[in-house]
Amino acid sequence: DQQVKQNSPSLSVQEGRISILNCDYTNSMFDYFLWYKKYPAEGPTFLISISSIKDKNEDGRFTVFLNKSAKHLSLHIVPSQPGDSAVYFCAARERTGKLIFGQGTTLQVKP
Amino acid sequence: DAGVIQSPRHEVTEMGQEVTLRCKPISGHDYLFWYRQTMMRGLELLIYFNNNVPIDDSGMPEDRFSAKMPNASFSTLKIQPSEPRDSAVYFCASSQLNTGELFFGEGSRLTVL
Repeated sequence: DQQVKQNSPSLSVQEGRISILNCDYTNSMFDYFLWYKKYPAEGPTFLISISSIKDKNEDGRFTVFLNKSAKHLSLHIVPSQPGDSAVYFCAARERTGKLIFGQGTTLQVKP
Repeated sequence: DAGVIQSPRHEVTEMGQEVTLRCKPISGHDYLFWYRQTMMRGLELLIYFNNNVPIDDSGMPEDRFSAKMPNASFSTLKIQPSEPRDSAVYFCASSQLNTGELFFGEGSRLTVL
């Protein structure tokens, strides 16, 4: 059973607009959440993270929001750029250290 | 410092053959993870090690899969015998103090015919 779910396989936005990628989880014991970005033929690379004790973390154009009551997190990219086109994975960390990933969302930013 | 190094990058084999994937983690990292990427399940954790000791192998799909980490700088993932449904991209990743910020290799794309 998937503990971390990304229900949207793909998302297409116009350059300059906001991209919002969503992620839901089921385990309330996760203590850390992360977003990874993946280009074709490359390994995923770390993008941004948030501790379970916070509800927002911002890094430049990227902001992650955590809603613990809804067991939901989202990644906002503003403004979106064509170079942001990639697969985005949401991940959650158990206290044991195990990192569980979602299925990924393919973002396409159109010029 | 070099990143996580995986080999081979591509492997095409026939059903029933043994497959061995290799990984060299980043020096100084004490956690090593093996993931498999599929369309349906995304990045699926197979097994992870801490200080060369397997901690959780509950994601290993079947007894046909095995992983070892004989020392801090090398790990293998073996599939014997391989089946077409094992076709996927296999990623190795390492981290320090298990911060959650994993550093991934470029992956090994396995095709089993």
